[in-house]
Amino acid sequence: AQSVAQPEDQVNVAEGNPLTVKCTYSVSGNPYLFWYVQYPNRGLQFLLKYITGDNLVKGSYGFEAEFNKSQTSFHLKKPSALVSDSALYFCAVRETSGGSYIPTFGRGTSLIVHP
Amino acid sequence: DAGVIQSPRHEVTEMGQEVTLRCKPISGHDYLFWYRQTMMRGLELLIYFNNNVPIDDSGMPEDRFSAKMPNASFSTLKIQPSEPRDSAVYFCASTATPEGRSPLHFGNGTRLTVT
Repeated sequence: AQSVAQPEDQVNVAEGNPLTVKCTYSVSGNPYLFWYVQYPNRGLQFLLKYITGDNLVKGSYGFEAEFNKSQTSFHLKKPSALVSDSALYFCAVRETSGGSYIPTFGRGTSLIVHP
Repeated sequence: DAGVIQSPRHEVTEMGQEVTLRCKPISGHDYLFWYRQTMMRGLELLIYFNNNVPIDDSGMPEDRFSAKMPNASFSTLKIQPSEPRDSAVYFCASTATPEGRSPLHFGNGTRLTVT
């Protein structure tokens, strides 16, 4: 079975400061990992993914995430937050083999960037 | 590419009425998902299709909900009769790759209010 946890319902950060949104996962084998962002009144938008290879993945809007197999984590990071980054962020996981095709989504973390 | 298109964007109806939500996936995508999002339960998968065939409908809350995909470019989610607890944002998403490496592409959702 696969599962994903986003331990923080909300993250607050000041504009210009670095931000981290946490995600941990559980799978039987190896994972495919994804981050999505949701702005108000919009659908989820893909930010970045880890499939294989380099543990540091770079994505849209200056975001990056680091895959850590030993800690089963895939935290989303950005060196300098913008007010426009304020949104709801979702982590998702899927096992690379076996099981169902369906990705499992976390409950989401609300990121608030203060001016 | 116009992305995943959902209609209507907003639907307000009275309890007991039939509601039909519509989705046009991205051309060439052979997987289609219907999700429901609420504050209390987060993002819930209702049903998904592969090549127009329903694969897993275990997330459909009850018999009042039904979904069809008559062809590769159109899907509907129907609620009959609707109830106030069905009020939520309903998302359609599509993707192409069966191995799970590709992200889901979401529409902007239909906000359903049942009074």
